[in-house]
Amino acid sequence: QSVLTQPPSVSAAPGQSVTISCSGSTSNIGNNYVSWYQQFPGAAPKLLIFENNKRPSGIPDRFSGSKSGTSATLGIAGLQTGDEADYYCGAWDSSLSALYVFGSGTKVTVL
Amino acid sequence: QLQLQESGSGLVKPSQTLSLICSVSGGSISSGGYIWNWIRQPPGKGLEWIGYIYYSGSTYYNPSLKSRVSISVDRSKNQFSLKVTSVTAADTAVYYCARGEDIMVEGVIIPDWFDPWGQGTLVTVSS
Repeated sequence: QSVLTQPPSVSAAPGQSVTISCSGSTSNIGNNYVSWYQQFPGAAPKLLIFENNKRPSGIPDRFSGSKSGTSATLGIAGLQTGDEADYYCGAWDSSLSALYVFGSGTKVTVL
Repeated sequence: QLQLQESGSGLVKPSQTLSLICSVSGGSISSGGYIWNWIRQPPGKGLEWIGYIYYSGSTYYNPSLKSRVSISVDRSKNQFSLKVTSVTAADTAVYYCARGEDIMVEGVIIPDWFDPWGQGTLVTVSS
């Protein structure tokens, strides 16, 4: 059971937009930065978004991140077949047993 | 360009110790501002953070694994290592090493984000 909750899957046609939610609490998303990772089958995760809404160099501006309260959102605009992957959110959890936590993961399917 | 590569035993017997090494190239593990992490992913499941080591040698572990995990650094070889004792089938996973950007929160160094990641290595616990 992940501390950060994501929808198991989202889907859309090429060219459309999707959003992936990541729901947490005040001990994690509410008071710490969120990052997002993209993972293709059989490959390592890749950083997409850091500190809630910043993109590393080389990441297209089709990918965007936002945070409000205890939830974060990853947006993918102009969906491409190459975006079909698993996406994970992550944040530090400052509870009594402090640790870094990841979301349950969301599979993006391009119809 | 910084690259990380995991190596180690791919098959470990139950109750024994899992040992992995992460070799870092294209940069020094001793450079400040970063922490060096281990993260694992059971087959078909999500990501679990194991812990980190700072170049100075200070460590922080996932509380649920703390009693069985140790991370060490060999600055002369630009490597850091993971050991997990008393393994069970639940420790079967792809193990990744990753550089983490560090940030200070309430006096504790914590990971801000992870980049880059190694390609990962599958460790199977089975007799």
